[in-house]
Amino acid sequence: DIQMTQSPSTLSASVGDRVTITCRASQSISSWLAWYQQKPGKAPKLLIYKASSLESGVPSRFSGSGSGTEFTLTISSLQPDDFATYYCQQYNSYSPNFGGGTKVEIK
Amino acid sequence: QVQLVESGGGVVQPGGSLRLSCAASGFTFSSYGMHWVRQAPGKGLEWVAFIRYDGSNKYYADSVKGRFTISRDNSKNTLYLQMNSLRAEDTAVYYCAKEVGSTSFGTLKSWGQGTLVTVSS
Repeated sequence: DIQMTQSPSTLSASVGDRVTITCRASQSISSWLAWYQQKPGKAPKLLIYKASSLESGVPSRFSGSGSGTEFTLTISSLQPDDFATYYCQQYNSYSPNFGGGTKVEIK
Repeated sequence: QVQLVESGGGVVQPGGSLRLSCAASGFTFSSYGMHWVRQAPGKGLEWVAFIRYDGSNKYYADSVKGRFTISRDNSKNTLYLQMNSLRAEDTAVYYCAKEVGSTSFGTLKSWGQGTLVTVSS
């Protein structure tokens, strides 16, 4: 099975900060990676798919990059609505799985 | 717009069974693959199962293989998850989710609000 490792697990940042979250796969997954945002008590929301494709309606301050085993989600200027938990997810195989999550907190 | 509404959650004893449903509307249900994903209290997301748009292919996480069965009724626009031999570690909010494309796999574009399953004696 492919293991997905996110870092950091928690991140403290201020409004306006540039934030980067890293996701590493235990083996190459090409570009078969998605990013989701989840707020407390709510369902996850798709942000990025195929490593760098922005989902319709998602603000352009969100971007994804990477391929193979290393990927990043970047928020160019953190907004109050962005404080949430972020998950990466690989779908290179018919056993997709998620990273452990990164909680973005207010500094 | 796409709407997914889960139901069927509740409290069940270890070893018991439960069937979850996910009623879909706002899109052509019979054209999209569907997933179940769960989240234990205070924990991360865990993919559970997938079914192709026509029901011809099904995939399961190792943790539920042989105990859970995913199915769909395209005439009723409804997705199901039959859960047998339930364990305490199956306690979670269960979400149904729709694929981004009709033949795609792995990009979960739309999600329901979830239904809570608690396995406890």
